[in-house]
Parts: sequence; structure tokens; C-alpha cells
Amino acid sequence: EVQLVQSGPEVKKPGESLTISCQASGYFFTNYWISWGRQMAGKGLEWMGRIDPSDSYTNYNPSFQGHVTISVDKSTSTAYLQWSILKTSDTAIYYCARHPRGGGFGGFDPWGQGTLVTVSS
Amino acid sequence: DIQMTQSPSSLSASVGDRVTITCRASQNINYYLNWYQQKAGRAPKLLIYAASRLQPGVPSRFTGSGSGTGFVLTISSLQPEDSATYYCQQTFSTPYAFGQGTKLEIK
Repeated sequence: EVQLVQSGPEVKKPGESLTISCQASGYFFTNYWISWGRQMAGKGLEWMGRIDPSDSYTNYNPSFQGHVTISVDKSTSTAYLQWSILKTSDTAIYYCARHPRGGGFGGFDPWGQGTLVTVSS
Repeated sequence: DIQMTQSPSSLSASVGDRVTITCRASQNINYYLNWYQQKAGRAPKLLIYAASRLQPGVPSRFTGSGSGTGFVLTISSLQPEDSATYYCQQTFSTPYAFGQGTKLEIK
């Protein structure tokens, strides 16, 4: 079974750093891209960026460029989403999702279960 | 960047009804359009990809149509478990934008 399992909820203070993870199983990790998305409370889905695990090439939504970093560890089939300086406005649920290499044809499937990040002083 | 606009933003329908949700792209995205269902407190689930292709395991009452800039998700006979928010998404070019969502309520 293809699965993406995300790390647990986090509570952080503004200015702190954070890395959340997304571990893949049930398929060849480097054969698909991984995207990250954000969902603020009661709001819609926002695409943050994606990574090609085969070469770690990344592509970011300009709205998130420079504020987050996406990376992978091929040895553990894990993707990461990292913040160096958290803001209260980063409070949201973050999802990872698998999709076909090259984008375009094919949707995001499956999705991780989501990681709730709360940033509050 | 490509903008995605869904309508309506919410609707209420009865079991057995035929429901349609519309998604419009700000420029031609060919058929690179996906539909997702998100139930409360859950991760999104892929229903339709490439505008009209049913994801394996998804009930056949869900159909997608359209190409270019206009797309439609149709639920042929609404079931109680279809209560959810539905999103369209373009994967023609990055950033892969989502529509704002359509909240579907069962009367």
C-alpha cells in the first residue's frame, strides 16, 4: 500500500525554527515528486512547492519562496518542510502529497494525514 | 500565475440529486485539471485527474468534463457520504493553484 506518513503536531514560538517530515512507503521514492501544501484554519488549499527526490530539484510557489525549504533524504524515503524563522501566520495544517514526475498529467495521490503547526507566543 | 475560480462556493442538495460544480481557469490549461474531495478533519482525496479520468476506487457517480478554461465536476446521484468540500486544481504549470473550494451540504 502506498502511504505518506507525516510527523506529529508541533507547538512553537515566533522566531523558532521547525522541520516536519513526510515518510513514504509502498513505492519507489524517486519515481514520483512530492509536493507540500498549506491549509489555514477554515480556509482552502495552497500549493507551497515540490521536490523531485531523484535529484532534489525544487520549485516553490513565489508566495512561500525564501520562507520555507523543501528537502529529501533518499536513504529513508522522507521529505521535509523546514522553517528557519516561524511567524504566527504559519499556524496551519501542512500536507505532503505524491504526484507523477513532470507534473501535468495526474493528480496528487496519496496525501499524508497532515501536520498541525501552531505558532504562538 | 494561473488563477482557479470555482462556483458555487457552497450548495445544499438532497440525496439522489444531480450536482454540478464549475471550475474556471484564468488561461488555457488544456486538460491538466484535477478534482479533490475533502471531508471535515481529513486530508484531501483525489477523485478525478486529467479533467475526466476517474481515480481507481472512486464511485462512478463522480464524473469530470471540460478542457481549456472551463471544467465541471458532476455527482450523478448524491449520497450522504458525499458531504464534503470539493476543490479543483490545475497542474498545467507551477504554482499549481487550487480553486477556493465548494462546500457541499446534504439536506
